[in-house]
Amino acid sequence: DAGITQSPRYKITETGRQVTLMCHQTWSHSYMFWYRQDLGHGLRLIYYSAAADITDKGEVPDGYVVSRSKTENFPLTLESATRSQTSVYFCASRADTQYFGPGTRLTVL
Amino acid sequence: QQQVKQSPQSLIVQKGGISIINCAYENTAFDYFPWYQQFPGKGPALLIAIRPDVSEKKEGRFTISFNKSAKQFSLHIMDSQPGDSATYFCAASTQSGSARQLTFGSGTQLTVLP
Repeated sequence: DAGITQSPRYKITETGRQVTLMCHQTWSHSYMFWYRQDLGHGLRLIYYSAAADITDKGEVPDGYVVSRSKTENFPLTLESATRSQTSVYFCASRADTQYFGPGTRLTVL
Repeated sequence: QQQVKQSPQSLIVQKGGISIINCAYENTAFDYFPWYQQFPGKGPALLIAIRPDVSEKKEGRFTISFNKSAKQFSLHIMDSQPGDSATYFCAASTQSGSARQLTFGSGTQLTVLP
């Protein structure tokens, strides 16, 4: 299916473990974004990427790492997960009108 | 630092009524104001958007009213339907390079009673 997909949709992990959330888009949009959604905070930008191998920090980048070796993929890694990173994570693409994926619900125990 | 303040946090409206959600911003550099609709278990989807050179934009039952001097904008949903029950986010953005960086409000959970 065309569009933007995220995997896994649900993930439970433990404090200190490394977790990678995947994002894949089929449109070949240059720009991709990672947000986290928490009650009372709306969506906050973690990282974004203007093109392959070009990434930049957003509002809340601490504790996260991103890479973009291919235009269509933009994985988000939590190198050592903390409980405060329990959230719903959304990937988005396209520079002007952002299209969002279905989200990954991450729980860190 | 919350640059876009959204209210109310939750809203309950009877079918056929008018739903009104308000947002206020601080950064005068914002030049694009979209509204996103999010259903449970789904990602946000663009509903309607406005630029500050107009005071109102209407698309079907959805209208954005924009007050540049007051730095406020609002979403009006006319003839609200149970299918409109969702979370609504206002956002504001500025151009950063060739991308738009969105700053979101905290969201309003709308429930339309049948």
